[in-house]
Amino acid sequence: QVQLVQSGAEVKKPGASVKVSCKASGYTFTSYDINWVRQATGQGLEWMGWMNPNSGNTGYAQKFQGRVTMTRNTSISTAYMELSSLRSEDTAVYYCARAGLGVDYWGQGTLVTVSS
Amino acid sequence: DIQMTQSPSSLSASVGDRVTITCQASQDISNYLNWYQQKPGKAPKLLIYDASNLETGVPSRFSGSGSGTDFTFTISSLQPEDIATYYCQQYDNLPFTFGGGTKVEIK
Repeated sequence: QVQLVQSGAEVKKPGASVKVSCKASGYTFTSYDINWVRQATGQGLEWMGWMNPNSGNTGYAQKFQGRVTMTRNTSISTAYMELSSLRSEDTAVYYCARAGLGVDYWGQGTLVTVSS
Repeated sequence: DIQMTQSPSSLSASVGDRVTITCQASQDISNYLNWYQQKPGKAPKLLIYDASNLETGVPSRFSGSGSGTDFTFTISSLQPEDIATYYCQQYDNLPFTFGGGTKVEIK
């Protein structure tokens, strides 16, 4: 069955970077785009960007341009999202999700806490 | 960016009621719209894709309609397990923006 398993919770200081991984299984990793979405506590969903695991092409929301990098390692079917220059407002649960017919499978989420 | 205006932001209804949520796009997005259900502490779950197509395994009491700028999501008979927050999302243009969400509660 399709699964996306994300790395564990992170606590980071302001100004640091965080790299979240998303390991895919149960399907051909290079056949579907990966989206990244985040959600601050009690808030709505915020789309961050997408990556094509086959080509490595990416597209980022303007809000995150220059701070976010989405990459992949096809040999281990894993996508990565790195966010730099962290600030307290980046505290959120970060999700990876597969874009099939709709965004049909989601990881379990990774809590990133930014605190001094 | 395309703005997605979802309403209402919350609603309370009785079991068995028909529930309707609307989503309005700031520009024409054709039928490039998804609907998701999110329960507390869980990842969102896709219910409807391409505005009106029911995702496999999703109960038929959920439905979606619309195209262009105006979209509707309906639960034909509200069940206790439908308590959740529902989001629309457009994927016509980057960034693939979400609506603000509708929290559905039981009266």
